[in-house]
Formats: sequence, C-alpha cells, structure tokens
Amino acid sequence: LAKTTQPISMDSYEGQEVNITCSHNNIATNDYITWYQQFPSQGPRFIIQGYKTKVTNEVASLFIPADRKSSTLSLPRVSLSDTAVYYCLVGAVTLGYGGSQGNLIFGKGTKLSVKP
Amino acid sequence: GAVVSQHPSRVICKSGTSVKIECRSLDFQATTMFWYRQFPKQSLMLMATSNEGSKATYEQGVEKDKFLINHASLTLSTLTVTSAHPEDSSFYICSAPPRGDYGYTFGSGTRLTVV
Repeated sequence: LAKTTQPISMDSYEGQEVNITCSHNNIATNDYITWYQQFPSQGPRFIIQGYKTKVTNEVASLFIPADRKSSTLSLPRVSLSDTAVYYCLVGAVTLGYGGSQGNLIFGKGTKLSVKP
Repeated sequence: GAVVSQHPSRVICKSGTSVKIECRSLDFQATTMFWYRQFPKQSLMLMATSNEGSKATYEQGVEKDKFLINHASLTLSTLTVTSAHPEDSSFYICSAPPRGDYGYTFGSGTRLTVV
C-alpha cells in the first residue's frame, strides 16, 4: 500500500480557499486517491475520490497530476465548520455492491484550523 | 447513501470485564467490515477485517484472543474487547467497504474508557 505524506497542520481564515497537498510517490497503477474528513470523536467522512486529472463535487475538488505521485484537495471558501483533520488515503479499491478488495491505511492527516 | 450504525457511542467499564461493540450496515449488505482504533491525537489504526462466514483477519500486533471479532450476518459485525484494561481505552471505529463512488462508510465510533 502506498504511503502518504501530508502537512501536519494548516491554518486558514473563513472565506479562503484551502489547498492540502498529499504526496504518494509509490502509488500503484490500480490505486485510487481518497480524502476523508474527521471531526473530534466522530468517524471519518468521505469527501472525494479520484484516479487521475480533476474531480469535483459539491464540497471539494481533487487535482491529480499526470504522474499521480501527489494530489491536492481544494476546499473553496472554508468556514469555521471545516475545522477538522483531513486524511489522504491511497489504495486499491474495487468498487462494487456488497464488498471490496483492499482496505484503508490512514496516515497522520492534516489538522486544518479555520479562524474567523 | 450507505449508512453504518455503530453502538454504543460511549461506554465505561471496569478492568477485567468485556465490552461488545456493534456495527450494522443499515441499508446494504456488507460481506466485509473493517475495525479501527484511534488513540487521542493520533490517526486511525486498522485492527482487523471481519468477513461474513469466515474468520477475521487481524493486523500484526493485534491480539485476536483479546479483540474478538464476529461477522454474524451480512449486516452485523461485532468487536468484543475481552478482559479490558485501561490501556484498551480508545476510540473504536468500524467501516464498510465502498459502494458506488462514495468511498468507505464509517460508523460514528465508540469511545471506550476502562477504569
């Protein structure tokens, strides 16, 4: 499983765009990149997932360069409620109903603090 | 979307007793469930993978006789911490594999305090 490296912490202010970069130099061909958000005393929550180029959903964008050795989670116009730990995970995932191959190995994550 | 219900959310028990944590997939069937442990200010550590109809797979360093995992049905996986000690105090989280494009679904976690 590919190891990931993220900044330990980041600070931002309300309304700013936040970009969190994750390095995964030994990503494998069939690995996906997934980002999760975790609030204190809660289970992680899925944010976004991608394989290459750019993925966008209603809460974030994920930018993946051609070599896939890194990825950047972009949170537009953050608010105080976005203060959380963000995890970048890389692994082989077979998407489908009722089961999957592989599992998730969590790195240390990035603690994002949004200030007013 | 997929929902995983985990309970209890919080439990306090005495040293030497056992505690069972349940994880249910509410609107889908899961042949596999993953169990994690998270100590304060640390990341999630995978403990084991439960498989419906077969034995669980434990990560290196996790005592299978202490952390009993049972995947009784396609919607229920349980983790029992046996003969709990204060060092077992932690946040335990289960997760189900992905369905569609929405990644793994995690339970809300169980805060275990052993006194």
